[in-house]
Amino acid sequence: AQSVTQLGSHVSVSEGALVLLRCNYSSSVPPYLFWYVQYPNQGLQLLLKYTTGATLVKGINGFEAEFKKSETSFPLTKPSAHISAAAEYFCAVTYMDSNYQLIWGAGTKLIIKP
Amino acid sequence: DAGITQSPRYKITETGRQVTLMCHQTWSHSYMFWYRQDLGHGLRLIYYSAAADITDKGEVPDGYVVSRSKTENFPLTLESATRSQTSVYFCASGDRGRNNSPLHFGNGTRLTVT
Repeated sequence: AQSVTQLGSHVSVSEGALVLLRCNYSSSVPPYLFWYVQYPNQGLQLLLKYTTGATLVKGINGFEAEFKKSETSFPLTKPSAHISAAAEYFCAVTYMDSNYQLIWGAGTKLIIKP
Repeated sequence: DAGITQSPRYKITETGRQVTLMCHQTWSHSYMFWYRQDLGHGLRLIYYSAAADITDKGEVPDGYVVSRSKTENFPLTLESATRSQTSVYFCASGDRGRNNSPLHFGNGTRLTVT
C-alpha cells in the first residue's frame, strides 16, 4: 500500500538555524507532492507543491523542497528559522489516477527555540 | 470574499443527538472532502464528493452521512453522535482538473460529544 512517512513527530531548532523536515513516500508511479502548514486553531494551508518539471520547488514564507526521485523523498527546508514558523507541517502525496485521494503523513510539529 | 467556510466553529452535543456540520465554498471547485483530525491519527478522510450528487466513502465513514445537492455546499451529518466522534472536522475543496491544484481547507469545527 502507498504510504507517506514523516520522520519525527516533533522537531526542535534554534531561531536562525536551518529547518529540515523529512518526508518519504512509497510509490511505483510518479507522485504529486505537497507540503501543508497548520497553525493553531486553523485549517491547513499549502506551503508548496511538486507536480512536474523542476525538482526544487519554492514555497511561501521562505520554504523550499526538493523532489528526490531516487530516494523517494521530498524534504522541506528553510535556511533560517523564525519564531513565526512554529506550527505543524504535513506532507501529502497523490497520483494522476487516484481520484484526488491524498495520502497524508502524520505531521511534524516544529518548535522554535528563542 | 472567496473561500471555504465551516460552521459552527465549536459545537458541544450529547451522545445520541443528530448534528450537522456545514461547509460552503465559493470557488465552484468540483471536489469536496471531509476529514477528521485526532491526536495520534493525523488526518483521516471521512467522505468525499467529486461533483454535485456524487459522493463516496473515505477511510472512516461509519456513523456519518453526507449530501451534495449543490456544488458549493457539502454538509456532514452525525446521525447519532458518539463520544468517539469527538474530534476536529475539516472541510476541503479542490479542482483536480487544474494541474492537480492543492486542497483548500476551512478553519475546522471542533466537536465535543458528551
